[in-house]
Amino acid sequence: DTGVSQNPRHKITKRGQNVTFRCDPISEHNRLYWYRQTLGQGPEFLTYFQNEAQLEKSRLLSDRFSAERPKGSFSTLEIQRTEQGDSAMYLCASRLSSNYGYTFGSGTRLTVV
Amino acid sequence: DQQVKQNSPSLSVQEGRISILNCDYTNSMFDYFLWYKKYPAEGPTFLISISSIKDKNEDGRFTVFLNKSAKHLSLHIVPSQPGDSAVYFCAASDEGGSEKLVFGKGTKLTVNP
Repeated sequence: DTGVSQNPRHKITKRGQNVTFRCDPISEHNRLYWYRQTLGQGPEFLTYFQNEAQLEKSRLLSDRFSAERPKGSFSTLEIQRTEQGDSAMYLCASRLSSNYGYTFGSGTRLTVV
Repeated sequence: DQQVKQNSPSLSVQEGRISILNCDYTNSMFDYFLWYKKYPAEGPTFLISISSIKDKNEDGRFTVFLNKSAKHLSLHIVPSQPGDSAVYFCAASDEGGSEKLVFGKGTKLTVNP
């Protein structure tokens, strides 16, 4: 058990480009979450998966954002046509249904220039 | 509309003294509360939690108090240690409703040797 792993750790991209981030949760955790954190704010919920099913999405998740968890294991978060306002830390977390112990990854810091 | 508020952006205490971090919430549906600690360039780390059926939960040097009538919770750290210096986030959840955690903006704690 190596915790929640997120790749890449840092991403710099030009405005208008597409980016994709990956999250590998703790292997036995069936619930996976994506959060976004901007400077001076706490993490904000984006979306949640139970196994491969995406069960909840925030209004923050515009149509440029898409998340998948195809086999109920790792997840990807794609942002299309990035904007400067997308610059943030993107955090992934996972947990077991029976346990409230969310475990967060170290995040992917996105900078859109 | 901030549902979870941490009104003190920063707090400085001497090593060995008590640190008290405060958090207020507005949503009466919240029934589970958590504290996370975050170091720079790392994801949040779970510290301690409390259910709304309790008014106190203790784990070693960390104690969380919940005052439901005032919609207020606090985290006490005693004795404070320099390694406790980090940003502390209060988070809340409505277990019967959404899966998401709602975070405050955080309080930066500095423990001086």
